Amino acid sequence: GAGVSQTPSNKVTEKGKYVELRCDPISGHTALYWYRQSLGQGPEFLIYFQGTGAADDSGLPNDRFFAVRPEGSVSTLKIQRTERGDSAVYLCASSSTKNNEQFFGPGTRLTVL
Amino acid sequence: AQSVTQLGSHVSVSEGALVLLRCNYSSSVPPYLFWYVQYPNQGLQLLLKYTTGATLVKGINGFEAEFKKSETSFHLTKPSAHMSDAAEYFCAVSDHSGGGADGLTFGKGTHLIIQP
Repeated sequence: GAGVSQTPSNKVTEKGKYVELRCDPISGHTALYWYRQSLGQGPEFLIYFQGTGAADDSGLPNDRFFAVRPEGSVSTLKIQRTERGDSAVYLCASSSTKNNEQFFGPGTRLTVL
Repeated sequence: AQSVTQLGSHVSVSEGALVLLRCNYSSSVPPYLFWYVQYPNQGLQLLLKYTTGATLVKGINGFEAEFKKSETSFHLTKPSAHMSDAAEYFCAVSDHSGGGADGLTFGKGTHLIIQP
């Protein structure tokens, strides 16, 4: 079956602009996660959803970052007033929650100029 | 709070030699532990996981890892390295406080280099 998909694969934007990153989880997976991976680092947890609600958003760095999952499937990560420090690969993962085995998408590489 | 330490940002082994990638964790509760592999320009792929039960777990591509509670370690091994094993490896921990689902805490990764 299809894995986790993310669009776009690459996004280049200018400082101060607004961006949206999309994640399509594996069908039937109720849990969805967002991570950020900076160059040379491991993924850093941002937020996770159980169904439509954000169960843990403790990893969001500040209020410029927001994520939604209105119908319990597709999720969108939204970043307002982007800064150069936001440049990273944004990873999405989904799981069926039984043992927290998370399946990752290929990521969206965000570059803020 | 939980954390993961991977000793050695780069590890180089000869083809056919033993692979040992080290991972130590800290967690206030019995953790779930994971190893992921990331090939260039690809997403993270789960190699193996420990949740409960047998402390020696076997994964894909001939890798295995042993959970040692007394040493708070979860080192990854493979008896004989292959050129195709060259990749970035990440150890991760979950305290599963979310009832089986919560964010993973990752180490910084170890880049495995295979010498011909």
